Amino acid sequence: RKEVEQDPGPFNVPEGATVAFNCTYSNSASQSFFWYRQDCRKEPKLLMSVYSSGNEDGRFTAQLNRASQYISLLIRDSKLSDSATYLCVVITILTGGGNKLTFGTGTQLKVEL
Amino acid sequence: DTGVSQNPRHKITKRGQNVTFRCDPISEHNRLYWYRQTLGQGPEFLTYFQNEAQLEKSRLLSDRFSAERPKGSFSTLEIQRTEQGDSAMYLCASSPSAAEAFFGQGTRLTVV
Repeated sequence: RKEVEQDPGPFNVPEGATVAFNCTYSNSASQSFFWYRQDCRKEPKLLMSVYSSGNEDGRFTAQLNRASQYISLLIRDSKLSDSATYLCVVITILTGGGNKLTFGTGTQLKVEL
Repeated sequence: DTGVSQNPRHKITKRGQNVTFRCDPISEHNRLYWYRQTLGQGPEFLTYFQNEAQLEKSRLLSDRFSAERPKGSFSTLEIQRTEQGDSAMYLCASSPSAAEAFFGQGTRLTVV
């Protein structure tokens, strides 16, 4: 089982639609959680952090359920510019000290006219 | 530009040759990561430095791969005796803490 699992998609949605992505992680000791966005042939960029209390940034809402080891991202009123791959990221503490970011495979979103 | 810088951006090499990539992290970021990404996959962890100490190396990384971070500043990733399966995007990231990381634009390696 992969440490971080996501539905690879693609999700093809019309402009203005609401779309939700899900992610599960296997390491219950994971400490921090993020969503990254990656455009085609570009580097991943931080989209938002994810907290148990939920957090919202404009049209984007992220939620963490520690008990279920489940993370979600909701995009409302989707725009053409939202087309990208969305990567679920989990930070775990390393036995030798420090930490590492573990990525899911990413979910591809295509917003269409 | 004060972001993470990687060089070269692209590298084409013949199978069996050695290649070296460089990463300059954001100033004062003490944590540095190397990742590898192939098409349709998320970035895969290779190794992690905290200052100059290499604290973690992926079990998936063969002995042909080595990374250094002398003086805790820039880092290099060397691949010896390259194989076609090494073709990928190699990403470097830096972070000031156990939180989000900032990525460079990557080095795209093609082994022919």
